[in-house]
Amino acid sequence: QSALTQPASVSGSPGQSITISCTGTSSDIGGYNFVSWYQQHPGKAPKLMIYDVTNRPSGISNRFSGSKSGNTASLTISGLQAEDEADYYCSSYTSSNTLGVFGTGTKVTVL
Amino acid sequence: QVQLVESGGGVVQPGRSLRLSCAASGFTFSTYGMHWVRQAPGKGLEWVAVIWYDGTNKYYADPVKGRFTISRDNSKNTLYLQMNSLRAEDTAVYYCARDYIGYCGSTSCPPEYWGQGTPVTVSS
Repeated sequence: QSALTQPASVSGSPGQSITISCTGTSSDIGGYNFVSWYQQHPGKAPKLMIYDVTNRPSGISNRFSGSKSGNTASLTISGLQAEDEADYYCSSYTSSNTLGVFGTGTKVTVL
Repeated sequence: QVQLVESGGGVVQPGRSLRLSCAASGFTFSTYGMHWVRQAPGKGLEWVAVIWYDGTNKYYADPVKGRFTISRDNSKNTLYLQMNSLRAEDTAVYYCARDYIGYCGSTSCPPEYWGQGTPVTVSS
């Protein structure tokens, strides 16, 4: 099972909005509404930011939002802040494998 | 609060075995599916194995099938990963993680809470 495709890096200035894409296939993103997004700071464990495409776990800022169109999911961070600088990974349920699949990861830089 | 504490990592020679443990607290362990996810140095996340809340179903990534075994002891609130025939490419930080929702009974439920990870290095 190949990893989902994400851009290697995305950057933005404080206060701006950025969007991270995550491209899969009809066997994963396109076929199910089970897309999640994780934030990972260096040396730390991943943190669930979005699940089931659009839902935020308790305690996650509403500056983070998720969406999906066809085989591509997206994570938008609005009002970019310094603490948003981290690696972001998408993941999806897939019918091609009994386990889910992660994206390749995107490094977000706050300029 | 939910706590997951991994242990058992270390340096091991190729072909040898290692057993990782994950002690859970702060929630009803027996009602949540559990995951092992690894991250090789400088690389992305990779699912290793998943076990349902009641232990009836277990799933493995292709690279570890036949070598790794996930298990749980609900009486001890502990998750395990038995790793046999270790290879250099198994070198990674291994995280245990808990489903975001109880009684999921599917691999569609993503993990929400994660431990701090335990490093495994396979080298001669």
